[in-house]
Amino acid sequence: DTTVKQNPRYKLARVGKPVNLICSQTMNHDTMYWYQKKPNQAPKLLLFYYDKILNREADTFEKFQSSRPNNSFCSLYIGSAGLEYSAMYLCASSPDWGIEQYFGPGTRLTVL
Amino acid sequence: QQKVQQSPESLTVSEGAMASLNCTFSDRSSDNFRWYRQHSGKGLEVLVSIFSDGEKEEGSFTAHLNRASLHVFLHIREPQPSDSALYLCAVSMDSGYNKLTFGKGTVLLVSP
Repeated sequence: DTTVKQNPRYKLARVGKPVNLICSQTMNHDTMYWYQKKPNQAPKLLLFYYDKILNREADTFEKFQSSRPNNSFCSLYIGSAGLEYSAMYLCASSPDWGIEQYFGPGTRLTVL
Repeated sequence: QQKVQQSPESLTVSEGAMASLNCTFSDRSSDNFRWYRQHSGKGLEVLVSIFSDGEKEEGSFTAHLNRASLHVFLHIREPQPSDSALYLCAVSMDSGYNKLTFGKGTVLLVSP
């Protein structure tokens, strides 16, 4: 089973409120990634976990947090949502470097 | 910093006619090249991965990599209306934690 699951599929949030998105995989993959995709823009890597080590991209360092309580789960946390956070958030996992990334169906976040 | 560009932005072909999509990248030391597809409201589906110059075929999808010219092409043989989707090119390096840099994509419409 190469399924990556994401919850919720759709999320409506108010400006200034926190948002927590969940991703899970049962493939025992070492690495889990979070990407943000906005309409007419390329998917953008936000951060990734290799095992228990979190790596955040420099330009999104302060905007997103994440946790990985175990190998199967990874969350993406926004402390105070702004309108600019409205996007599709894609989670992916990979067993090792240079190997395929398997993507989940995404969570569409709308901030009002 | 890696730059990935795709052309055309949108493409309409008739059912059964070959569709050709173009992707250019900026860093010649890139190692891994992938084509993904995203149907509306769905996650990313990997179509074909290529790691060395030449061609790689997966079903009706053929990737053609020419590192010297910084191009990777995707050819879709006998596309069906169900192949209508957003097609994304992604580039990564073995030394870069397999972080994917995406293009903005090509919207393909296959008309019956």
